[in-house]
Amino acid sequence: NAGVTQTPKFQVLKTGQSMTLQCAQDMNHEYMSWYRQDPGMGLRLIHYSVGAGITDQGEVPNGYNVSRSTTEDFPLRLLSAAPSQTSVYFCASSYFGNTEAFFGQGTRLTVV
Amino acid sequence: GESVGLHLPTLSVQEGDNSIINCAYSNSASDYFIWYKQESGKGPQFIIDIRSNMDKRQGQRVTVLLNKTVKHLSLQIAATQPGDSAVYFCAENAGGTSYGKLTFGQGTILTVHP
Repeated sequence: NAGVTQTPKFQVLKTGQSMTLQCAQDMNHEYMSWYRQDPGMGLRLIHYSVGAGITDQGEVPNGYNVSRSTTEDFPLRLLSAAPSQTSVYFCASSYFGNTEAFFGQGTRLTVV
Repeated sequence: GESVGLHLPTLSVQEGDNSIINCAYSNSASDYFIWYKQESGKGPQFIIDIRSNMDKRQGQRVTVLLNKTVKHLSLQIAATQPGDSAVYFCAENAGGTSYGKLTFGQGTILTVHP
């Protein structure tokens, strides 16, 4: 099993550009979520999903959109990148009723 | 909002010693408390969890203690090894339909010296 796969691993954007961070899991997990991790801080929840067609906002949703059309995929869209969105982004998935979340390797995003 | 935090940002130990990493939480409504390990350049990895109705839970070389009276969580690692060097995060969730929503603490850097 590949687990949780994130692409790309690294990305540099100019302010105002848009892009999509990809996340795919092959474990048939119901829950998927996106976090951002800034230096010296823990992870903060951006958006999450409890199943295909269902998404909800986390702690820091502004500037990000998500959709969940399939169980496997949960892309994160940056509509108009800002320097404040420079961060490492992690996607995670888990089974319903299970606290063990599986994380991807992360995407390091720099907005200049 | 309520959050989970840590007392100490760094911890250095000698190989073979026992390590104790602490965490303070403020949300009394959390149903689960979880410890994650994050190695450099990788995503967090689940270590162990404890439900709010428990005081202690043991895993392989790790023990988590929960003191609800003072809202304190700790992770004990026995016979610490160089491979245990990482950042350790405590996290919480409310259970129910919120299993996928984790609130993380700041993290503690554990360094194990051979």
